[in-house]
This record gives sequence, C-alpha cells and structure tokens, in this order.
Amino acid sequence: EIVMTQSPATLSVSPGERATLSCRAGQSVSTNLAWYQQKSGQAPRLLIYDASTRATGIPARFSGSGSGTEFTLTISSLQSEDFAVYFCQQYDNWPPITFGQGTRLETK
Amino acid sequence: QVHLQESGPGLVKPSETLSLTCTVSGGSVSSSNYYFNWIRQSPGKGLEWIGYIYDSGSSNYNPSLKSRVTISVDASKNQFSLKLSSVTAADTAVYYCARMRAVAAFADFWGQGTLVTVSS
Repeated sequence: EIVMTQSPATLSVSPGERATLSCRAGQSVSTNLAWYQQKSGQAPRLLIYDASTRATGIPARFSGSGSGTEFTLTISSLQSEDFAVYFCQQYDNWPPITFGQGTRLETK
Repeated sequence: QVHLQESGPGLVKPSETLSLTCTVSGGSVSSSNYYFNWIRQSPGKGLEWIGYIYDSGSSNYNPSLKSRVTISVDASKNQFSLKLSSVTAADTAVYYCARMRAVAAFADFWGQGTLVTVSS
C-alpha cells in the first residue's frame, strides 16, 4: 500500500495570498495523483488530476505540480470560498487506492 | 451531468451487515469506461477506498476490508450496492459512492454521502 503524507496538517493564510500545500508519496506514483477540495458537510470535489491537469470548471488560480514522490497544490490568490480541506490521492499502484490525511486551509 | 445518490439505513447494530445503495443518473453503471466505487470517511482514518465494481460485474476491494465487503450492481435500476458484514463501531463513517475513470482512477463525480453509525 502506498502511504500518502500531506503537510502541513493546517495552513493559515490570509485572503488574497498564495497557499502552497504538499503531498508526498511513500514510493513513486509517476504523475498519477489527484487533488480534491472538501468543504464542511460536502463530498470531496475533484480539482486536479494527472498531477497538473485542472478538472472541468476549476478556476485557473488552482495549479498542481510534481512527479514521482513530491507534489504541490498551489492556490495563487485565496478567495473566501477556498478555505476548506484538501486531499491528495494516488492511483498509480493499486489496489488499494490511497488518500492523504488532508490539509486544512484556514483564514489567518 | 452525472449524479450519484446514496441510500440506506443510518444505524446498524454491531455484528450485523451494513447495506447501502447508490443510484446513478446521467450515466450508465454498465459502462466499461468507469469504475463505480464506495469510499468512506471517518474522523480517525480520513478517506478510505472500499472497492469498486466495473463493467457490470468485475470488482476489486481494499485488502483491509476484502473479507467483509461485497459490491454488486443492478443494471436494470442503474444502481450499485455495498454490503459490509460483521460491522463494529470502527465502521461508523460517512459512506460515499463515486465514479472513477477506468483509465485513471480518480473520482470525478461523488454522491453527497450518507452517515452510517454502528451502535446497539
């Protein structure tokens, strides 16, 4: 099983600033990585797949990068609706499909 | 637009079987292009992939749950279902159904989720 580790657990950023979230895989997953956003009481929403491709309807301020074991989700200028929990997920070596434990993005 | 909706009991007794159904609209559960999944989320374990059904019959399960899980499909109703046997309090979670693309297993559509509590 590939363990996915996200950091930090909580990130405090002011609206309008840049947020950088990290995800590390226990072994290489190539670019087979997705990012999801989850707001309180809602299902996760797909943001990024294949490490850097934005899903349909996702604003350009969200970008993903990385390959192998190190990945980054960047939100270039935080809007109020971006404060949520973010998860990464690998789909390179499975079963099982595995998720990170999440990063909570909160208002500073 | 694809829509998924979970349904089933919100309370299950310990040692019994948890049963949930996901109704899919806007797409077919028989499609060979997609996996239809169950994923759960509990405070202690984050998001946990349970398993999927594919092409109206093939299935794959998380090894950690495999001995207790069955996922099946009813193509006539465009539904797929989850059965998890011998439940304990550790199985208390929000259960989601989700669609993943067969060529790359990320979830592009999710149900809203349903809370299942295991308690006597």
